[in-house]
Amino acid sequence: QQQVKQSPQSLIVQKGGISIINCAYENTAFDYFPWYQQFPGKGPALLIAIRPDVSEKKEGRFTISFNKSAKQFSLHIMDSQPGDSATYFCAASPTSGTYKYIFGTGTRLKVLA
Amino acid sequence: ETGVTQTPRHLVMGMTNKKSLKCEQHLGHNAMYWYKQSAKKPLELMFVYSLEERVENNSVPSRFSPECPNSSHLFLHLHTLQPEDSALYLCASSQDLGFYEQYFGPGTRLTVT
Repeated sequence: QQQVKQSPQSLIVQKGGISIINCAYENTAFDYFPWYQQFPGKGPALLIAIRPDVSEKKEGRFTISFNKSAKQFSLHIMDSQPGDSATYFCAASPTSGTYKYIFGTGTRLKVLA
Repeated sequence: ETGVTQTPRHLVMGMTNKKSLKCEQHLGHNAMYWYKQSAKKPLELMFVYSLEERVENNSVPSRFSPECPNSSHLFLHLHTLQPEDSALYLCASSQDLGFYEQYFGPGTRLTVT
């Protein structure tokens, strides 16, 4: 069954702390793993994405770590800021249908000032 | 207007009403999508259009009827909805089908009473 399991459902972090959101998948055919950020009243926006040929990708304070053997990937937000407070969705895209993202259930992040 | 716009932003309708959601993309994209976003559930892909032709109908009940008159506009016609249809309906577009980033609109918050 194609699904992506995301945890935690919600997360509270102090300003300057590290936020970590985890996702796990079952289908080994997935080959593209994007993370989306959604602010209240807005649609999701692509934040960062990784392919399984690398184990880590960093863009500014945002890092994706990818463990192919464990079929897990995670988003790390370093030096978390109140402006990072949003809902984060992981997703996976199967090789055969590249627009058919399988989304996680989302993590609501709140960064305290 | 830039990006992907959706109207109305909020809609309350009775189960016997007929209403339509509108999406417009100002990005010159060829593919457009409708998603349903419910609390604590993954985003659900409903319909996909490429160059005004429907290429995906993801087992969506017939009370939802999409229309794509041109590559910039997408509608979702609603009739005899159920309370469980209450959700945020997101429109997205991408350059083409395949491996292209999807740009989301802000969504229409639908409440069925």
